[in-house]
Amino acid sequence: QSVLTQPPSVSAPPGQEVTISCSGSTSNLENLYISWYQHVPGTAPKLVIYNDFERPTGIPDRFSGSKSGPSASLGITGLQTGDEAIYYCATWMNTYWLFGGGTKLTVL
Amino acid sequence: QVRLAESGGGVVQPGRSLRLSCAASGFPLSYYDYVWVRQAPDKGLEWVAHIQFDGSTKYYADSVMGRFTVSRDTSLSAVYLHMSSLKAEDTAVYYCARIMGSRLRNAFYADFWGEGTTVTVSS
Repeated sequence: QSVLTQPPSVSAPPGQEVTISCSGSTSNLENLYISWYQHVPGTAPKLVIYNDFERPTGIPDRFSGSKSGPSASLGITGLQTGDEAIYYCATWMNTYWLFGGGTKLTVL
Repeated sequence: QVRLAESGGGVVQPGRSLRLSCAASGFPLSYYDYVWVRQAPDKGLEWVAHIQFDGSTKYYADSVMGRFTVSRDTSLSAVYLHMSSLKAEDTAVYYCARIMGSRLRNAFYADFWGEGTTVTVSS
């Protein structure tokens, strides 16, 4: 079964930007659609990017998504302390869902 | 206002059963697919089950195949996860989520999630 690999953690000071990567293990992500979720444990996960780069209503344009070949990325600019969370990439594989292992974002 | 609210979690002994409910409000239940996703202590999100909008097709993670069953009741606007032969490794917070997207493009995403319900499997 395929795996989506994310770095365990990233950090940056307030106002700066970060990029979180999501790499497919056995297949090019080109034919898959990646979504990204922001999760503070104990609360409802929140969709921040869908269909690789589209933003849901209410998500600020500080959040962006991109994809190229075997990997996808979530970019966050103008970091705020409220952005601290665990971010997951995910994709539908036709008969099952794949979630990345999650990346903990620390804004310090 | 779209809302999903899980319930039914609790402490249960290994080998026993439990049914989780996900009450949907603010939209027609039958228009969407749904998933159950769990998070074990100190672990990431793990997909558990998926049910199509008409209840005709269901998918399960290998880890729960044969033990868990997903269903829905449009008259009660609820989605369920019946869990049997529970194991310690099923201990987790269980979330339900609504699925949006295009079946034509095979492009799906979970646009709304509930707050979760906690299941603890312990003797």
